Formats: sequence, C-alpha cells, structure tokens
Amino acid sequence: AQSVTQPDIHITVSEGASLELRCNYSYGATPYLFWYVQSPGQGLQLLLKYFSGDTLVQGIKGFEAEFKRSQSSFNLRKPSVHWSDAAEYFCAVGAPTGGGNKLTFGTGTQLKVEL
Amino acid sequence: DAGITQSPRYKITETGRQVTLMCHQTWSHSYMFWYRQDLGHGLRLIYYSAAADITDKGEVPDGYVVSRSKTENFPLTLESATRSQTSVYFCASSGPRRAGGPDTQYFGPGTRLTVL
Repeated sequence: AQSVTQPDIHITVSEGASLELRCNYSYGATPYLFWYVQSPGQGLQLLLKYFSGDTLVQGIKGFEAEFKRSQSSFNLRKPSVHWSDAAEYFCAVGAPTGGGNKLTFGTGTQLKVEL
Repeated sequence: DAGITQSPRYKITETGRQVTLMCHQTWSHSYMFWYRQDLGHGLRLIYYSAAADITDKGEVPDGYVVSRSKTENFPLTLESATRSQTSVYFCASSGPRRAGGPDTQYFGPGTRLTVL
C-alpha cells in the first residue's frame, strides 16, 4: 500500500521569500502524485499533479513541484510567497494500477506567511 | 451552479443518534469519495464508489454506511454517532481513470460534525 509523509507540520516564511514544502512517498513503482491546497474553512483545491514525463510540473498560483524517483520525493516550491498563500498544503499519492481513483493523503503542512 | 455540494455544512448531534451527510455533484462523475479530516491525521478515506450501486471501504469505514442509488448522490450515514466521529467530512468526485492517469478529485466545502 502507498503512503505519504510530510515531515513539516508548520512552516513560517516571510512574504517574498522562497518556499519549499517536502513530500516523501512510499510505493513500489512510480505513483501518481498530487499537491492540494486548503484555505481556512474551505475544501481542497488541486495545485498540480504528476503522472509521467517531465519531472518538473507546473501548477496554478505560481507553484511547481519536482518528482525525484531516487529520493521518493515530490517537493512543492514557489519562488516568491504571497500573503494569500497562507493555507494548509497536502501531498497525495495514487496507485497507477488497481485501487480505482483512490488517493492517500499526507498529514499536511500548515504554511504561515509573515508580512 | 455546477459543482459538488455538501449538506448540512454544520451539524451538532448527540451520541447514539443517526446522522446522514449529503453529497451531490453535477458533473456526472463516476467516482465519489468520503473523507474525514482530523488534526494530525490529514484526510482519511472512509468509503468510495466507482459507479452507482458500487461502493467499497476505505481506510476508516467502521461506524459508517454509504449508498449510491444515483450517480450524482453519495450520502454518508453514521448509524449511531460516537464522540470519536466528531470531525470535518469532505466529499469528492472524479471522472473515470484514463490512459493518462486518474482524473482529478474535486472536493466539496465540507461538513463540520460535532457529536456531543
């Protein structure tokens, strides 16, 4: 079964600084990988996803993520954080075969942006 | 408006009562999911459905019942609510798997349930 680890529960960055949120997965083959964002009191919104091909994936709101098979990682990055990026971020993994469209989510990273 | 809706948005109930949370989507998505979100646990899958009349257990199904008689609706029932079921519940839907990978899951706004 697949699993996801987000090692950082809370991260604080200054507005305009760069951001990297870590995500490590466990799966026997190349999984499908996702990053979702949740603003307070809201549902989850997809930022980006990786299925195959180019390991650097561009998403919405200026976010990108890089799949590194050797490190079993799919870290989320943004070059310059805006105050509106304060939210909780979830990494998720899906199995390419079997399991339907099920996803396994990490425990999330809460991002605080200091002005 | 098209999309995925959940009702009620907030619910307070007492231990032992039956509670049903509703989920409705207008995209005719084949897949629907129920998750619970708890501090320190992220989102955990309760049940999912691949199509009408096809449901399967997720990671934490105990104490919950689902049905899917129509493609657009996927109600979640707590047959006898317990305090441990106090949580935020999210419904999601997605299209079928495709050659390029699984379809994106789209989430509803959530239902905050408190069991006293």
